[in-house]
Amino acid sequence: KAGVTQTPRYLIKTRGQQVTLSCSPISGHRSVSWYQQTPGQGLQFLFEYFSETQRNKGNFPGRFSGRQFSNSRSEMNVSTLELGDSALYLCASSPIVASGRVANEQFFGPGTRLTVL
Amino acid sequence: GDSVTQMEGPVTLSEEAFLTINCTYTATGYPSLFWYVQYPGEGLQLLLKATKADDKGSNKGFEATYRKETTSFHLEKGSVQVSDSAVYFCALKLMNTGNQFYFGTGTSLTVIP
Repeated sequence: KAGVTQTPRYLIKTRGQQVTLSCSPISGHRSVSWYQQTPGQGLQFLFEYFSETQRNKGNFPGRFSGRQFSNSRSEMNVSTLELGDSALYLCASSPIVASGRVANEQFFGPGTRLTVL
Repeated sequence: GDSVTQMEGPVTLSEEAFLTINCTYTATGYPSLFWYVQYPGEGLQLLLKATKADDKGSNKGFEATYRKETTSFHLEKGSVQVSDSAVYFCALKLMNTGNQFYFGTGTSLTVIP
């Protein structure tokens, strides 16, 4: 099975622009989570989508948004970029176990490195 | 709130040395605990996990025991190799809170020959 894929891998934007990042989960996985990784703050949870619905949201401003499509692929969008948004954005997917719940495990993609100038 | 506190790095060890990376947690419920590893330029990979108290997770020579009494999940390996050089993250996930994981800040390990 192919792993979690994220596109693009690298992105350079300027302040004030907006950006859209894409994540394709492992085939069959329906839960997709997004994280922001920075040297100062570490890994911070952005949001989780399951069956096209946002189930959890971290403590980020409204400039950060996301969505999930019927094929479980997910996108996240950051509007009005700030210098502090420079980070590695990681996507993770999880399968559903026999009970119908999301498995207790996440599989991560390689990330998208966003640089804001 | 729910959180994970990890031993500060960076850690530098000689090959075949013993490794311990400390991890303690604060959780309002009953968490599952994880260690993830991140190699340069890559995403995180699950190293091991434990879902209840006294469980021991193990993989590739690494071990960690879920200690509820000390709220800890320390990572250990008896003999490290150069290929173990990476950043290690401790994480917790609560039951019934969706799929939100709480990660520690990461501990960078460098193993020198």
